[in-house]
Amino acid sequence: GEDVEQSLFLSVREGDSSVINCTYTDSSSTYLYWYKQEPGAGLQLLTYIFSNMDMKQDQRLTVLLNKKDKHLSLRIADTQTGDSAIYFCAEGGNAGNNRKLIWGLGTSLAVNP
Amino acid sequence: EPEVTQTPSHQVTQMGQEVILRCVPISNHLYFYWYRQILGQKVEFLVSFYNNEISEKSEIFDDQFSVERPDGSNFTLKIRSTKLEDSAMYFCASSVRGLSNQPQHFGDGTRLSIL
Repeated sequence: GEDVEQSLFLSVREGDSSVINCTYTDSSSTYLYWYKQEPGAGLQLLTYIFSNMDMKQDQRLTVLLNKKDKHLSLRIADTQTGDSAIYFCAEGGNAGNNRKLIWGLGTSLAVNP
Repeated sequence: EPEVTQTPSHQVTQMGQEVILRCVPISNHLYFYWYRQILGQKVEFLVSFYNNEISEKSEIFDDQFSVERPDGSNFTLKIRSTKLEDSAMYFCASSVRGLSNQPQHFGDGTRLSIL
């Protein structure tokens, strides 16, 4: 069945780049998403990428997609303490409307001063 | 920026009781969703809703669950007879359309604790 996997923890120093990785199984996925969850808050959409793209850049965020390997990554440049949160990878397939999202377990990013 | 709002933020209920979780989706959105996240587990899809009917539901969404859009703004999830295993964070989401290029926007969630 459909599945999304992420590493659980990542710790970086402030100012360094963070790279959060994700693998998925559904080759029919047309869009892949990154959501951020801060403590006590909801799921905030960060960015998403269409499956025919290799890369998408949005300010400090860079998303790389390797469709052959079904591998997605999120790079955060110049990571700040405010970036500390859980980052979820999610895939939405291509089977019509009302697409449910399939989620990874989330990667907890700790940014150390 | 418009946002999805959910109430209450925390609901504590005795096992066997009915609970209603409320959501106000973004006003021009047409598709609505409920997800849940049991502590330590993945976010799981429950149900999607469009044009006043359920579009898709997961195996979790059994006869104990129902959804309703009672008016033009609210979208509710009802659990008829709660069980301990219903304890979770419940997230409501909405999107303009149901296509994958229209991202789902989420509320802050309702933490449901069943005693």
